[in-house]
Amino acid sequence: EAGVTQFPSHSVIEKGQTVTLRCDPISGHDNLYWYRRVMGKEIKFLLHFVKESKQDESGMPNNRFLAERTGGTYSTLKVQPAELEDSGVYFCASSQDTKGYGYTFGSGTRLTVV
Amino acid sequence: EDQVTQSPEALRLQEGESSSLNCSYTVSGLRGLFWYRQDPGKGPEFLFTLYSAGEEKEKERLKATLTKKESFLHITAPKPEDSATYLCAVQALTGGGNKLTFGTGTQLKVEL
Repeated sequence: EAGVTQFPSHSVIEKGQTVTLRCDPISGHDNLYWYRRVMGKEIKFLLHFVKESKQDESGMPNNRFLAERTGGTYSTLKVQPAELEDSGVYFCASSQDTKGYGYTFGSGTRLTVV
Repeated sequence: EDQVTQSPEALRLQEGESSSLNCSYTVSGLRGLFWYRQDPGKGPEFLFTLYSAGEEKEKERLKATLTKKESFLHITAPKPEDSATYLCAVQALTGGGNKLTFGTGTQLKVEL
């Protein structure tokens, strides 16, 4: 089975620009999660989709971040405008259920804002 | 607020030298405690889930244990291929949704 795919793998943008990250979950996984790891800190939850609906977006840092999941398939995370503190590695995970053992993580997108 | 603290931050072992990694946690009702392995440039890879105090799980050279306040990941006779960052995470029964709260990880290096 194909894993969780994220792209781009790396992105370097200037402060104030817009970046869109994409995640393709494992086929058939209704649950899709976004997490982020900022340098030196722990991986932190951003939000959770069940199919196309946002189940929990309590971890989204501010309104510069917009996540969508079209038709319950792939998801995008847009940062507009990007700030320096947005730099980090953004991970996507998907699962058939909501228990942690079912999570499959992607390899992440490393975002650098300069 | 749920919290996870892992120690040590980094650990260097000789091949065959057994040791333990610690994960201390506070959570408003534990649904599960998870151990993941992360290799450089990759996402976390699931290892174990523990649900209640006293539970133990094993996989090859790894054994995870759980008490009401902490979990240990015991590594017996490690090999260089066990080198990775080991992450601990908790999932709360209520109030935290389905999210995982992670620790900062222990970076393990096993040398020949």
